[in-house]
Amino acid sequence: NFVLTQPPSVSESPGKTVTISCTRSSGTIASKYVQWYQFRPGSPPTTVIYEDNHRPSGVPDRFSGSIDSSANSASLTISGLKTEDEADYFCQSFGSSVVFGGGTRLTVL
Amino acid sequence: QLQLQESGPGLVKPSETLSLTCSVSGDSISHSRHYYTWIRQPPGKGLEWIGNVFDGGYTSYNPSLKSRLTISIDTSENQFSLKLTSVTAADTAVYYCARTAEWEVAEFRSWGRGTLVTVPS
Repeated sequence: NFVLTQPPSVSESPGKTVTISCTRSSGTIASKYVQWYQFRPGSPPTTVIYEDNHRPSGVPDRFSGSIDSSANSASLTISGLKTEDEADYFCQSFGSSVVFGGGTRLTVL
Repeated sequence: QLQLQESGPGLVKPSETLSLTCSVSGDSISHSRHYYTWIRQPPGKGLEWIGNVFDGGYTSYNPSLKSRLTISIDTSENQFSLKLTSVTAADTAVYYCARTAEWEVAEFRSWGRGTLVTVPS
């Protein structure tokens, strides 16, 4: 199976834009959909992006997803950052089995 | 609104069996087009897919856990369960249950809050 690599942490100020990358080690990123999940303490995890770039109902349009085939990576971009966006974010895809990225802790300060 | 809730012991002794149940409310688990899934996160580590169950009791397991794992579905109680035998401290984790999108084995759309299970070393 392949590995999805995320930066361990990112930080940005409120109102700014942040992008979290998710790089696939082998195979083609576009071959299987990528999802993004938000883990906040005290709350159930939520899906913020599914099938590369789709937002579930209820997720603000400040969240967007994309695929860069040249970099073999997926990205989650959050614009207009709010303190409530502070959380751990995990990318996920599928090979011979389900694969999760290692997670990125977003700090909004 | 769909809700999933994990339940089970928070402490399991080494070599014993870890048993968890996920109660589903807001939708029937019977004749469902969704995969019902278990995922875990050891303290300070990433997420690990454990396995899933589909309508009719069809299961798929993480190969690294397969020899110790049973996931089952109980449509009469609208819940599904996980049993992991011969546990060790390495099985200490927050265990989440989740439901996928329709017909999609690897798109988790709804999650439970998670429950911490500790196996002392």
